[in-house]
Amino acid sequence: IAGITQAPTSQILAAGRRMTLRCTQDMRHNAMYWYRQDLGLGLRLIHYSNTAGTTGKGEVPDGYSVSRANTDDFPLTLASAVPSQTSVYFCASSEGLTLTDTQYFGPGTRLTVL
Amino acid sequence: LAKTTQPISMDSYEGQEVNITCSHNNIATNDYITWYQQFPSQGPRFIIQGYKTKVTNEVASLFIPADRKSSTLSLPRVSLSDTAVYYCLVVYNTNAGKSTFGDGTTLTVKP
Repeated sequence: IAGITQAPTSQILAAGRRMTLRCTQDMRHNAMYWYRQDLGLGLRLIHYSNTAGTTGKGEVPDGYSVSRANTDDFPLTLASAVPSQTSVYFCASSEGLTLTDTQYFGPGTRLTVL
Repeated sequence: LAKTTQPISMDSYEGQEVNITCSHNNIATNDYITWYQQFPSQGPRFIIQGYKTKVTNEVASLFIPADRKSSTLSLPRVSLSDTAVYYCLVVYNTNAGKSTFGDGTTLTVKP
């Protein structure tokens, strides 16, 4: 059982470029989440999806967009990357529909925007 | 703005009990407190969750006082493999996606 997979593992990106971070879960969880983690800080919620077909904004949504076409996939898109988006991005999922439910995290994507 | 506060770092020795406290003054009536553990280059992993009083599982205990403005994660008899960053998470508004992870406590267990 893979759990949550994220791709790519790491990426260096020129400012202004478009980038999609991929996230797939095989646990048939209802909810999925995207967080960013900056050096020495906690995780901040970017966007979330309680069920397929629905999405919501988290704490820091500006500059990011998401879609949830099916249960398993939850891609995160940076339409025009900026250096302040340099971070480690974690995707997570939970069986329940809320942030209170136990979240299972992927291994992360390390993104550097130059 | 809701905020969660934890100590930046703690040191301990193998076999000792470690207590890490998180302050969450603005916690709402229906909010739960969840703790996660994170090793370098990995995503966080669930440890324990509670609402009030005391919760215990196979790896930790969580103590929450009556006013719920803080919580304490207790790790009994730590080992070197418990060296990690520990985060508390409080969800302030589930419907609006509002949650706050603390900045994490780096626990270093020494032999």
